[in-house]
Amino acid sequence: EPEVTQTPSHQVTQMGQEVILRCVPISNHLYFYWYRQILGQKVEFLVSFYNNEISEKSEIFDDQFSVERPDGSNFTLKIRSTKLEDSAMYFCASSALGTFSDTQYFGPGTRLTVL
Amino acid sequence: QQQVKQSPQSLIVQKGGIPIINCAYENTAFDYFPWYQQFPGKGPALLIAIRPDVSEKKEGRFTISFNKSAKQFSLHIMDSQPGDSATYFCAASDRGSRLTFGEGTQLTVNP
Repeated sequence: EPEVTQTPSHQVTQMGQEVILRCVPISNHLYFYWYRQILGQKVEFLVSFYNNEISEKSEIFDDQFSVERPDGSNFTLKIRSTKLEDSAMYFCASSALGTFSDTQYFGPGTRLTVL
Repeated sequence: QQQVKQSPQSLIVQKGGIPIINCAYENTAFDYFPWYQQFPGKGPALLIAIRPDVSEKKEGRFTISFNKSAKQFSLHIMDSQPGDSATYFCAASDRGSRLTFGEGTQLTVNP
């Protein structure tokens, strides 16, 4: 069964450093998402991406964050200058159509720890 | 208005019991209500979903009950098993856009 994959599974970085989290969505999907989950809290939407541009973003997704689809398979989330409060589990998701009732499939996540 | 409120925060049942998890929302534009199951160290996985034009949907041992007028929906797990022990999240979306998640319920099913 096709699945969303994410690398690395765990990333440790120093505050102020840049990190890039990588995702390979399901191959025929067109809509891509990033969510984050701070330990013990709910999953929060960050950004959605379609047709090589951001379609929606939350208030969390400020100028420190950017997304890119550098090639036909990868989808990346970059945090330019990490803060302690960026420590969280980051999930990539993809969906085929992006319409209501369309399933968003989640990857296993990248645990980001900012020291 | 974008919030989805979920309760209880944690739930312990015996094998064979019927845990019920409840969610409430405010945004009447929400038109898709999925439930996700998450095991430790894994990403959320879709369990079952409902649209507001039906009041109930059943898939195997999992049932969603939906009350549009009360803006509430709930997940029932029939004949619960220890393997159902996980964190369950309700969510909602408006026209297939971002998913807004509830706070999660940690379910433990004792043998």
